[in-house]
Amino acid sequence: DTAVSQTPKYLVTQMGNDKSIKCEQNLGHDTMYWYKQDSKKFLKIMFSYNNKELIINETVPNRFSPKSPDKAHLNLHINSLELGDSAVYFCASSPGTLNTEAFFGQGTRLTVV
Amino acid sequence: GENVEQHPSTLSVQEGDSAVIKCTYSDSASNYFPWYKQELGKRPQLIIDIRSNVGEKKDQRIAVTLNKTAKHFSLHITETQPEDSAVYFCAARLNQFYFGTGTSLTVIP
Repeated sequence: DTAVSQTPKYLVTQMGNDKSIKCEQNLGHDTMYWYKQDSKKFLKIMFSYNNKELIINETVPNRFSPKSPDKAHLNLHINSLELGDSAVYFCASSPGTLNTEAFFGQGTRLTVV
Repeated sequence: GENVEQHPSTLSVQEGDSAVIKCTYSDSASNYFPWYKQELGKRPQLIIDIRSNVGEKKDQRIAVTLNKTAKHFSLHITETQPEDSAVYFCAARLNQFYFGTGTSLTVIP
């Protein structure tokens, strides 16, 4: 009974392609996030959505476009993939209150060749 | 925005010894400080957290301390075991979660 689930778990694709990663949470949380974890393990926030509305959009190339059809889903679409996009992408969710934890999905390892 | 610094980046200890990881944050409005453990190839998972109205919290071999005046918080693991080997992240929550750069802990049997 997975709380935050991402698909696919692995994604290998060629430069220039367009790909999507899907995320769903069944915790009833109001806020969802996308994080990028590079080879140095740093967790960098990319986007934050609250009740389907974009709250935070850190310095991310506009090739990355998040879409939230409802508050349980936050998908990430990436256009014109580049080698530097290779990383593990984590979706996470948290309740709307400020002093509770974030729950992470299992991650999507994206490899651009 | 918030800036979280974490030290050390790598830490090796003998089994049974203690491990301490330290973090500082910049925005005094941050009021929630979780610690995550990430095993190789797995997702980050919460191991302990502390809220700004508390100075210390303990859960078995793991404890966290918070000094709001100095804006720093620390993770203490006692009686370390090989299964404690992982990457540990501190975080501070303001309007979203700001993570430290991670500490790779190795417990040597």
